[in-house]
Amino acid sequence: QLQLQESGPGLVKPSETLSLTCTVSGGSVSSGSYYWGWIRQPPGTGQEWIGTIYYSGSTYYNPSLKSRVAISVDTSKNQFSLKLTSVTAADTAVYYCARHLAGAPRSFDYWGQGTLVTVSS
Amino acid sequence: ETVLTQSPATLSLSPGERATLSCRASQSFSNHLAWYQQKPGQPPRLLIYDVSNRATGVPARFSGSGSGTDFTLTISSLEPEDFAVYYCQQRSNWPLTFGGGTKVEIK
Repeated sequence: QLQLQESGPGLVKPSETLSLTCTVSGGSVSSGSYYWGWIRQPPGTGQEWIGTIYYSGSTYYNPSLKSRVAISVDTSKNQFSLKLTSVTAADTAVYYCARHLAGAPRSFDYWGQGTLVTVSS
Repeated sequence: ETVLTQSPATLSLSPGERATLSCRASQSFSNHLAWYQQKPGQPPRLLIYDVSNRATGVPARFSGSGSGTDFTLTISSLEPEDFAVYYCQQRSNWPLTFGGGTKVEIK
């Protein structure tokens, strides 16, 4: 059974960089069949797609965040990571990592449990 | 960006009733529309992908339909565990976007 687990600091100061890692178990990020993504959900609202990566390193980013986002993959550790720079209170959210359905980066069939990141001094 | 507008915001129904949820897109597309169910404190669960395909393990009472700019999720007969928030999501056009959600609550 595929499992994804987000990890990283739960509190980040304004203007600093948010860094999260997603560890995949029960499957491989190196599988050529899947893309891997980050999604966030501010408290009490809906989801916002942040970006997606393929094992080769190809990335797709939401234009609204593109200037501040970097997603990378580490196949040796079976992980992929998110960095979001210059954070503000508006970046406070539950951050999820997820796997896209096989074949193309469209819907997400497996999700991590999510991790709450609060931006505050 | 393709904006997805879900309606109604809240649907108050009783167990056994039929639920019809709408997702309207700002641009037309033919596929890559998904539906998710989310309960408090849990991640979204994929129900429907590519407009009408049920994900693995999803009961047959859930069905999806639509094309162009209008898409529908139907729950034929509500079970107690179906009361939750439902989101639509598209990736026919980049960037990938989600709707604002419909809460299905017990009447």
